Amino acid sequence: DTEVTQTPKHLVMGMTNKKSLKCEQHMGHRAMYWYKQKAKKPPELMFVYSYEKLSINESVPSRFSPECPNSSLLNLHLHALQPEDSALYLCASSHLGGTGSNQPQHFGDGTRLSIL
Amino acid sequence: GQQVMQIPQYQHVQEGEDFTTYCNSSTTLSNIQWYKQRPGGHPVFLIQLVKSGEVKKQKRLTFQFGEAKKNSSLHITATQTTDVGTYFCAVLIINTDKLIFGTGTRLQVFP
Repeated sequence: DTEVTQTPKHLVMGMTNKKSLKCEQHMGHRAMYWYKQKAKKPPELMFVYSYEKLSINESVPSRFSPECPNSSLLNLHLHALQPEDSALYLCASSHLGGTGSNQPQHFGDGTRLSIL
Repeated sequence: GQQVMQIPQYQHVQEGEDFTTYCNSSTTLSNIQWYKQRPGGHPVFLIQLVKSGEVKKQKRLTFQFGEAKKNSSLHITATQTTDVGTYFCAVLIINTDKLIFGTGTRLQVFP
């Protein structure tokens, strides 16, 4: 069971399609994250939102566009993706750590994305 | 940039044997987290270590933070088939919300 809900669980899309991944949490967390995970590799951070504002963009291509409509929701808009973008996309949330502090991250089940 | 390496990359053990994974950083760490990801699942937070030389236990799992805060280990005593998965250490870059995952150790347990 996970307290972070991601939809859809699976997505197959063509390179010219536009789609969105959605993530929702109701734990009162004010930090939300998108990760990309390829098979047998660790999750790689893509974006971080703190208090609904984008605080970290790990040089992600513009064909990935994040959005944080409110403190509970996080979206990832996809457009003109490439086959190498096929991966598991994980959303996570946490309390904000503060200086010198470290907060555990709670992950959703992910969206398994395949680009044809 | 921050690099976090784990060894071994993969280990398979007979049920009942012990298992250890090691996490090594190129720089001194402020703290470290450990996560477990079951096959087909998502990472699940296990524990956080903060103090130099810290040792924490969770049932059969023992976590240790090195004295120099550059390495950490996870030891599982008497493995069970439910321990199967990939174990990641993860480091939070200080004063940011950026979490860097180690390369991971994939554990297979044979009954």
